[in-house]
Amino acid sequence: SQTIHQWPATLVQPVGSPLSLECTVEGTSNPNLYWYRQAAGRGLQLLFYSVGIGQISSEVPQNLSASRPQDRQFILSSKKLLLSDSGFYLCAWTRDSANTGELFFGEGSRLTVL
Amino acid sequence: DAKTTQPNSMESNEEEPVHLPCNHSTISGTDYIHWYRQLPSQGPEYVIHGLTSNVNNRMASLAIAEDRKSSTLILHRATLRDAAVYYCILAGGTSYGKLTFGQGTILTVHP
Repeated sequence: SQTIHQWPATLVQPVGSPLSLECTVEGTSNPNLYWYRQAAGRGLQLLFYSVGIGQISSEVPQNLSASRPQDRQFILSSKKLLLSDSGFYLCAWTRDSANTGELFFGEGSRLTVL
Repeated sequence: DAKTTQPNSMESNEEEPVHLPCNHSTISGTDYIHWYRQLPSQGPEYVIHGLTSNVNNRMASLAIAEDRKSSTLILHRATLRDAAVYYCILAGGTSYGKLTFGQGTILTVHP
C-alpha cells in the first residue's frame, strides 16, 4: 500500500533562519507531488507541484522553493524565513493527473516563525 | 477556477443523517466535484467525488443536481468522528491535485 510521510512534524524557527521540510511517498512510482500551506484559520493554498524529477511549478510568488531530487521525494525550502511563513505545511500526492483519483495528504508539518 | 459556496457551519446529532450543501453555479462541463474533510491538526482526507451522476462509497453519498449547479454530501449516520471541516472543491481537466480549498463547512456533531 502507498504511504506518505512528512518531517519534521513540528518546528519553531527564528526569522531569517533556513528551512527544509521533507516529504517521501512509498509504494508508488512517478506520483504527482504537491506542497500546500494552511495559515491559521484559513483554507489550504497550493504552493508547488511536480509531475516528475526536477520538474517544479510554483503557484504563488513567495519566499519558498521546492525541489524533487528523487521520484518519490519532495522538499520545501527557504533560505531566510519570514514571520508570514508560519503555518501548517502539507505534502500530497496523486496517482496521475486525471480527475479520476484522490489526493493523498501527509500528516503535516507545523512551522512557527518567531 | 470555478468557485463553490458552502455554509460556514452546520450541526447534527449523532446517528442522524447530515446533508452538507454546496453551490457551484459557474461549474464548467469538465469540472469534477470533490469533497474532502479535515480534522483538527491533520491533513485533509478524501471523501468522495463525482461528475454528473450520484455517487456512493463507504464514507458518504454525493447527490449532484441535474444542472450540476449544486451538490449535497450526505453522511447517512453521523458519528462524533465525523466532526470536521468539509470542503467542496471543483477541479477539471488535468488540474487535478491543484485544488483550491475555500473555508469549508465546520460540522459539529452532538452526542
